[in-house]
Amino acid sequence: QVRLEESGGAVVQPGKSLRLSCVASGFFFGSYGMHWVRQAPGKGLEWVAFVAFDGKNTLYADSVVGRFFISRDNSMGTIYLQMDSLRPEDTAVYYCAKGDASGWYFFEYWGQGTLVTVSS
Amino acid sequence: DIQMTQSPSTLSASVGDRVTITCRASQNIDSWLAWYQQKPGKAPKFLISKASRLQSGVPSRFSGSGFGTEFTLTISSLQPDDFATYYCQQYNDYSWTFGQGTKVEVK
Repeated sequence: QVRLEESGGAVVQPGKSLRLSCVASGFFFGSYGMHWVRQAPGKGLEWVAFVAFDGKNTLYADSVVGRFFISRDNSMGTIYLQMDSLRPEDTAVYYCAKGDASGWYFFEYWGQGTLVTVSS
Repeated sequence: DIQMTQSPSTLSASVGDRVTITCRASQNIDSWLAWYQQKPGKAPKFLISKASRLQSGVPSRFSGSGFGTEFTLTISSLQPDDFATYYCQQYNDYSWTFGQGTKVEVK
């Protein structure tokens, strides 16, 4: 079955960097776009970033563009989210999600999330 | 960017009730709309794609409809496992946005 497992969440000071990882299994990883979606404490869902199946195309929410960078390693079945210049408003649970059968329109499977807290 | 507005924000209902949640898009999104269910402390679960396509394993009491800017999620007979928060989500022009969520709570 499809499994997505995020890691790397931590408490970090404003302005610092952090890298999240998501290891995928149970499907042909190299055929699907992948996303990061976040959820601030007690708030709704916010799409953060997308990476195409081959890693050649990426897209970002306006709130993170220029600070966050998504990448993937198809040989390892893993996607990454490099988060630089972190702000308190980046505090959230970060989920990785597999694109649906179309590749990218919807979020078919989700990991359990990893918590990032940005605080001094 | 396209904004998604759900109503109501909170819905109080009883087991067996028919429940309807509305999602409105700020501009036309054809049928590029999905619905998710989220329970406290858990990841969202994908329920419906392309406005009305029920995902495998999702009970048939869930249904979706709509096109363009107005969409609905209906639960025909609310079950105890259905008390949760529901989100709509749209895709358009290389951007994805969610509604603010509708919490279905026990009346």
